[in-house]
Amino acid sequence: GNSVTQMEGPVTLSEEAFLTINCTYTATGYPSLFWYVQYPGEGLQLLLKATKADDKGSNKGFEATYRKETTSFHLEKGSVQVSDSAVYFCALKGNQGGKLIFGQGTELSVKP
Amino acid sequence: KAGVTQTPRYLIKTRGQQVTLSCSPISGHRSVSWYQQTPGQGLQFLFEYFSETQRNKGNFPGRFSGRQFSNSRSEMNVSTLELGDSALYLCASSLNLVTNEQFFGPGTRLTVL
Repeated sequence: GNSVTQMEGPVTLSEEAFLTINCTYTATGYPSLFWYVQYPGEGLQLLLKATKADDKGSNKGFEATYRKETTSFHLEKGSVQVSDSAVYFCALKGNQGGKLIFGQGTELSVKP
Repeated sequence: KAGVTQTPRYLIKTRGQQVTLSCSPISGHRSVSWYQQTPGQGLQFLFEYFSETQRNKGNFPGRFSGRQFSNSRSEMNVSTLELGDSALYLCASSLNLVTNEQFFGPGTRLTVL
């Protein structure tokens, strides 16, 4: 079946450091891929998405490129801020309606 | 436009009881999905409703059930609660079954004692 694997956390970075959170997936067909962010005590917020191969999703300085050849959708940001501290989830949506399949989440902590 | 609302936000129950959680989607959205979030299992899909019909179901026991009303509001019910049902239950709404974007509510934190 479909699945998503993310790098384990927690990830601790200094402010202005470069961020990469790895995400790989297994899926049949052509899934859509997402990154969601969860701040403490809140629900999930959609950060960015990509719906086909080679698409690049971007938002708030975060980027991720849909790489079908490597089945990856790594999240990157050039310069993180303390306010980026949160848990990040990679997810895919296949051909089963709206069902999202999530990775296990990566906790990011950014220190001033 | 108001976001997805979930009530109650926090709930404490004891083993064997049952519980009903409510979700109001964004106005105009007709699809509602439910997810369970736990530290051990992460985010797991429970079920999806569209036009008052369950369209998709995750791998949960029959104690977990749901429904959707004509105004797209949805409820989920868990009967005979177990300690392992303690979790954050998240509801997500989208325009329809095809739309990619799902908008999540703040969740209901259920604690089973």
